[in-house]
Amino acid sequence: GAVVSQHPSWVICKSGTSVKIECRSLDFQATTMFWYRQFPKQSLMLMATSNEGSKATYEQGVEKDKFLINHASLTLSTLTVTSAHPEDSSFYICSEASGETQYFGPGTRLLVL
Amino acid sequence: KQEVTQIPAALSVPEGENLVLNCSFTDSAIYNLQWFRQDPGKGLTSLLLIQSSQREQTSGRLNASLDKSSGRSTLYIAASQPGDSATYLCAVQSGGSNYKLTFGKGTLLTVNP
Repeated sequence: GAVVSQHPSWVICKSGTSVKIECRSLDFQATTMFWYRQFPKQSLMLMATSNEGSKATYEQGVEKDKFLINHASLTLSTLTVTSAHPEDSSFYICSEASGETQYFGPGTRLLVL
Repeated sequence: KQEVTQIPAALSVPEGENLVLNCSFTDSAIYNLQWFRQDPGKGLTSLLLIQSSQREQTSGRLNASLDKSSGRSTLYIAASQPGDSATYLCAVQSGGSNYKLTFGKGTLLTVNP
């Protein structure tokens, strides 16, 4: 299956700062990538669909100005959490679709102090 | 709106036991259903994918069944091993939503040696 990497795996930041998370497709050109968020003991919730070369599609309730997504190439999508606050602390996971299957990255754990 | 429920939330069994994890979904108009494994602080690994037209899929000691009309799926794990300890997530892809997955909260499985 496809291999997806994320960087960083862990990040701790102060409230009010911005954090960028990278999602790379290592062996596949991903036209579409997905960003999910998972709070402790909760489901993975889709935040947005990232389309190469065009604007991302955000799910209802997800602020597009707070969670900036850039998918400038077929192998890289980035998620920037702007002006992060403690309530943004979560596990962020990206995935790419290959046919009917989604391949997930290892995730990035964000802790905002 | 599709909702996915997994029961039980947690399960602890001795090594060697056969076990069943349950998943239910509210909207039977699905394209497929997938079972994933998530290790602590890690991304997701796809275990089995069942198309809406299929009844079951098998991979090694894992067998997943799907009853689309009743909105249910089960994941059967035979001869459980300590290495099977993880959180098991069920996700459905709804028809016409282009890869969008709706996840359950998962079942945390612990297999004791």
